[in-house]
Amino acid sequence: QKEVEQNSGPLSVPEGAIASLNCTYSDRGSQSFFWYRQYSGKSPELIMFIYSNGDKEDGRFTAQLNKASQYVSLLIRDSQPSDSATYLCAVNRWTSYDKVIFGPGTSLSVIP
Amino acid sequence: DTEVTQTPKHLVMGMTNKKSLKCEQHMGHRAMYWYKQKAKKPPELMFVYSYEKLSINESVPSRFSPECPNSSLLNLHLHALQPEDSALYLCASSQDRARMNTEAFFGQGTRLTVV
Repeated sequence: QKEVEQNSGPLSVPEGAIASLNCTYSDRGSQSFFWYRQYSGKSPELIMFIYSNGDKEDGRFTAQLNKASQYVSLLIRDSQPSDSATYLCAVNRWTSYDKVIFGPGTSLSVIP
Repeated sequence: DTEVTQTPKHLVMGMTNKKSLKCEQHMGHRAMYWYKQKAKKPPELMFVYSYEKLSINESVPSRFSPECPNSSLLNLHLHALQPEDSALYLCASSQDRARMNTEAFFGQGTRLTVV
């Protein structure tokens, strides 16, 4: 089992719809969870992080964390063509050092 | 200033060359990272420096040699690379290794091509 798994995608949604991106992780000791957006040929850009169970909202983005189910998701409301990118879920697994593990990413395409 | 600056942006090198990648941040971050990212793959951690000391080497071949001259700078020295080492090399930094404060800021990367 991979440490961090995501929907393989690609995910296509029409403009204005809600895009739902999912991520599961295997290590119950994981402490913090991140969503990065990466445009083709560019570096990852942090868009959300969440530490506690529940929802965290920032503008059109909502991150949801359920530690019991080892599940974290990202909802993008009112999707725009500019949201088309690869979304990377990342998990901080606290051991004796600070290490962030990335999932394989989900490619999102927002269709005008 | 919330930037991590990497130079050069692009690098083409032969298998016998020696080159260096540079990374700089002025956010007072004490943890810095090198990642390697192949096309359509997620970033893979290579090295972690914490307070200017190497704390993680993810079994990276010795042809990659990291260096942290001071708290703002991180270098990656390259020697005798192979074509399969061609990738996007990303530098990142975070405040420190504190448990609850681990957001990493990424630089724009150096796209390396080994010929």
